Amino acid sequence: AQTVTQSQPEMSVQEAETVTLSCTYDTSESNYYLFWYKQPPSRQMILVIRQEAYKQQNATENRFSVNFQKAAKSFSLKISDSQLGDTAMYFCAFRETSYDKVIFGPGTSLSVIP
Amino acid sequence: EAGVVQSPRYKIIEKKQPVAFWCNPISGHNTLYWYRQNLGQGPELLIRYENEEAVDDSQLPKDRFSAERLKGVDSTLKIQPAELGDSAVYLCASSPTGTGRISGANVLTFGAGSRLTVL
Repeated sequence: AQTVTQSQPEMSVQEAETVTLSCTYDTSESNYYLFWYKQPPSRQMILVIRQEAYKQQNATENRFSVNFQKAAKSFSLKISDSQLGDTAMYFCAFRETSYDKVIFGPGTSLSVIP
Repeated sequence: EAGVVQSPRYKIIEKKQPVAFWCNPISGHNTLYWYRQNLGQGPELLIRYENEEAVDDSQLPKDRFSAERLKGVDSTLKIQPAELGDSAVYLCASSPTGTGRISGANVLTFGAGSRLTVL
């Protein structure tokens, strides 16, 4: 069965600094998608960034980028120039290409400190 | 475009009482998910629909939970009777149906959630 692990329950970063959130997953599939979702306090979950496993190039969305290591089954999120609005729970998620079930990790609580 | 709409946002009930949550997905999204999120944890799938059909309900506690998605649009999740351990946020999400390399077919859009407190 697929699993998603986030080993950092809580992290903090100074405003304008860079922080990296870790995620590892386990699957026997070769085609799949990986996601980072953000859930601000008392607000709904939104997509931050998405990576398709067959693409070797790491995805980038403005200040957010990923380091996708397929062989190591690792999918970390880097947030550059951290802003106060980045304070949130961040969830790593996995989805098989052939199956619509999405599995979430336990989350990392990120606090951006002024 | 309207997002995923859920109601009620908050519900407080006594244990053993029934409760129902409603979800209206994004128009055209054939796949609908119900997740339960306990405090400080990631969402856990309860049930997934493809149109009207429940294609994955293996994690739904069927002795007290039920769900339906009539006409393949809106969905209702019911708990009867509620227990103290059911206190959580119940999230509804939808996505276009499709697999493979179709861009946009793999992103879930979430509603704001329904926070249930069972006393």
